[in-house]
Amino acid sequence: DGGITQSPKYLFRKEGQNVTLSCEQNLNHDAMYWYRQDPGQGLRLIYYSQIVNDFQKGDIAEGYSVSREKKESFPLTVTSAQKNPTAFYLCASTPYPGEDTEAFFGQGTRLTVV
Amino acid sequence: RKEVEQDPGPFNVPEGATVAFNCTYSNSASQSFFWYRQDCRKEPKLLMSVYSSGNEDGRFTAQLNRASQYISLLIRDSKLSDSATYLCVVNPVDSSYKLIFGSGTRLLVRP
Repeated sequence: DGGITQSPKYLFRKEGQNVTLSCEQNLNHDAMYWYRQDPGQGLRLIYYSQIVNDFQKGDIAEGYSVSREKKESFPLTVTSAQKNPTAFYLCASTPYPGEDTEAFFGQGTRLTVV
Repeated sequence: RKEVEQDPGPFNVPEGATVAFNCTYSNSASQSFFWYRQDCRKEPKLLMSVYSSGNEDGRFTAQLNRASQYISLLIRDSKLSDSATYLCVVNPVDSSYKLIFGSGTRLLVRP
């Protein structure tokens, strides 16, 4: 079955550490996205990528980095520069944009700083 | 002004009630519109796309008003299982091609 897989589901990070969240899709989608969601809040865009080897900053990119070396994969690194990283992180993908572009989401990674 | 705005709620309604949510967007060039449902601590899932002519799926009706730049979602005969957060999503289909999410409207349906 096609879909998006995020791992791990839960992640604990010590202060000062970098951690990388995995996102893999087998939907053959061109565009991929990373969102952050805080309790009781909506989704805020961190980074997005329209094609391989290209990505753009979203609204809250500071303290995060991404890569898009393969079409299927869009990992997100939460660096020590991100001062408040505890949140729910969601990866999504869409086909190359058209009139009806449904976004497919992974099940999310819940990151907690300890 | 936010690109996509929603009333955060919560909307607290009894079973069987009809409830409506509105969502306004700022980019008049926006082309695609969606409603997503998100359950607590889960990922969002597509509820329905919103077409210019309006569309209905069972108890759910979505409408688009381009002149006033808002979309709406109407839920008839509310069920307990409808309790969730409803996210409005806009795809500007401009050079950025990024989806824009509203912050969501929370619905609580009580017995």
